[in-house]
Amino acid sequence: SAVISQKPSRDICQRGTSLTIQCQVDSQVTMMFWYRQQPGQSLTLIATANQGSEATYESGFVIDKFPISRPNLTFSTLTVSNMSPEDSSIYLCSVSGGEDTDTQYFGPGTRLTVL
Amino acid sequence: AQSVTQLDSHVSVSEGTPVLLRCNYSSSYSPSLFWYVQHPNKGLQLLLKYTSAATLVKGINGFEAEFKKSETSFHLTKPSAHMSDAAEYFCVVSANTGFQKLLFGTGTRLLVSP
Repeated sequence: SAVISQKPSRDICQRGTSLTIQCQVDSQVTMMFWYRQQPGQSLTLIATANQGSEATYESGFVIDKFPISRPNLTFSTLTVSNMSPEDSSIYLCSVSGGEDTDTQYFGPGTRLTVL
Repeated sequence: AQSVTQLDSHVSVSEGTPVLLRCNYSSSYSPSLFWYVQHPNKGLQLLLKYTSAATLVKGINGFEAEFKKSETSFHLTKPSAHMSDAAEYFCVVSANTGFQKLLFGTGTRLLVSP
């Protein structure tokens, strides 16, 4: 399975600011996904990022708030814009690709606290 | 539409006793089903995956799950719990809405006492 890293691993930010989270994979992958895990909750898909095209956002998530870049097959970024305390969550990226397109492998997550 | 329900938010067992984490799903087709584990302050790790090859799926760390179509269930079991099994477990179904989307259950926290 792919090895996935995320930066930063955690951060504490002030409301109104923005944070960009990086996701790096050690091999080329077709699809990358961004999830949010609010405190004590399950995972919710934010968007799907396919290289060379605009990200596809799920209901309740908009590009202005969560812009995503996917410049190549091993890298993606998620920006959390104009943050409020309600954005305090763990943000995880995942990847799928290769022969087993159904299975996703997850990065370690970025723990964000907004004050 | 697809859905997944984890029947227990918390399960407590003693070390060395069996583990049963329950999951029911709803799907209009034959889905792929997964169990993921999340240890405290860690990312998600794939435990096992069901496609359609065999109804009993063996995963890592001694876990296994049985797909029962008649009961629309995919329960996770382990014969003997270890302290290191204490974690959050997620049952997941593929959403079949394109882009290999996954639908996550609400999670079951497994507590293991000595």
